[in-house]
Amino acid sequence: DIQLTQSPSFLSASVGDRVTITCRASQGISSYLAWYQQKPGKAPKLLIYAASTLQSGVPSRFSGNGSGTEFTLTISSLQPEDFATYYCQQLNSYPLTFGGGTKVEIK
Amino acid sequence: EVQLVESGGGLVQPGGSLRLSCAASGFTFSSYWMTWVRQAPGKGLEWVADIKQDGSVTFYVDSVKGRFTISRDNAKNSLYLQMNSLRAEDTAVYYCARQRILSEWGQGTLVTVSS
Repeated sequence: DIQLTQSPSFLSASVGDRVTITCRASQGISSYLAWYQQKPGKAPKLLIYAASTLQSGVPSRFSGNGSGTEFTLTISSLQPEDFATYYCQQLNSYPLTFGGGTKVEIK
Repeated sequence: EVQLVESGGGLVQPGGSLRLSCAASGFTFSSYWMTWVRQAPGKGLEWVADIKQDGSVTFYVDSVKGRFTISRDNAKNSLYLQMNSLRAEDTAVYYCARQRILSEWGQGTLVTVSS
């Protein structure tokens, strides 16, 4: 199974900060990676797929990069509504797996 | 607008069974892979199962193989998850989602396995 390791697992930041979350795969997954945002008590929301393609309706301050084993999700200027938990997911091979999550909280 | 509405969750004893349903609307259901994902209380996301458009291909996470069955009825725009031999560790909110890239999600249904 492909393991995904997210770092950091917890991040404290201020509104306006540039934030980067890393997702590392235990083996190469090409660009078969997606990012999701989840707020408490809500279903996750797709932000980015194919490592860098922004899902329709997602603000352009979100961006994804990477291929192979190392990927990043960047929020260029953190907004109040961005405080949430973020997950990466690999779609290269079954079983599909998620990273452990990164919780972004207000400093 | 894509809508996915799960139902069928509840409290069940260990070893029991439950059938979850997901009613889909706002898109051509028969054209998409569908997925079940779960989230244990306070924990992260876990992919559970996928099913191809015509139901001919399915995939499962190892921990549910032989106990859970994903199926669909394209005439009813519905996705199902039959869960047998339930264990305490199956306690979670179960979400259905459209496509393998999980482009849209339902609101989830809580399954609690406890005596």
